[in-house]
Amino acid sequence: AQKITQTQPGMFVQEKEAVTLDCTYDTSDQSYGLFWYKQPSSGEMIFLIYQGSYDEQNATEGRYSLNFQKARKSANLVISASQLGDSAMYFCAMREGGRNAGNMLTFGGGTRLMVKP
Amino acid sequence: NAGVTQTPKFQVLKTGQSMTLQCAQDMNHEYMSWYRQDPGMGLRLIHYSVGAGITDQGEVPNGYNVSRSTTEDFPLRLLSAAPSQTSVYFCASSYGEGGYGYTFGSGTRLTVV
Repeated sequence: AQKITQTQPGMFVQEKEAVTLDCTYDTSDQSYGLFWYKQPSSGEMIFLIYQGSYDEQNATEGRYSLNFQKARKSANLVISASQLGDSAMYFCAMREGGRNAGNMLTFGGGTRLMVKP
Repeated sequence: NAGVTQTPKFQVLKTGQSMTLQCAQDMNHEYMSWYRQDPGMGLRLIHYSVGAGITDQGEVPNGYNVSRSTTEDFPLRLLSAAPSQTSVYFCASSYGEGGYGYTFGSGTRLTVV
């Protein structure tokens, strides 16, 4: 089974509108972390937001928020007030097992977001 | 600037050639890892290290070797390049749990012909 599933290969959003990118995950660990990264056409991986499995509040970072629903194992990224510069690939990733497991990330397949002017 | 430095940025190899992708970090991070990204896909883990002298395999290790003789360096060796290894390679380092500890290099675009 896929550990990280992003079901939206591509999405369009109108500039200044909000958009939600879906991510579901699968783990039996109690301690894990969920990440969202942005990858523009230039190729670098840009960290956006992080949610720990024990965090009770949903994470927020500026225009980014993470809608964490632990029972449903979902960690959707919400981008408010989309900008043209938000056009990029977005990856959801998970870290399981903490320090002793090597601190690696498992990535989903990504969602390509295109912002229309 | 502090961070993860990958060299080279671009490389073309012929089938059967070997080469080493370099990765260096100056943040004294314990953990380092190598990922590959094929077109239109997410990153997949090749090898990782939890400290100097300790490495282990990830999801797609075949055809690659790593070593970690120092905290700073984590080179990735392609033993005998194949067209299936055409990909973008990312090195990452981290210092532990939490969201802000991961740093990715800028990537190496490798083409095997």
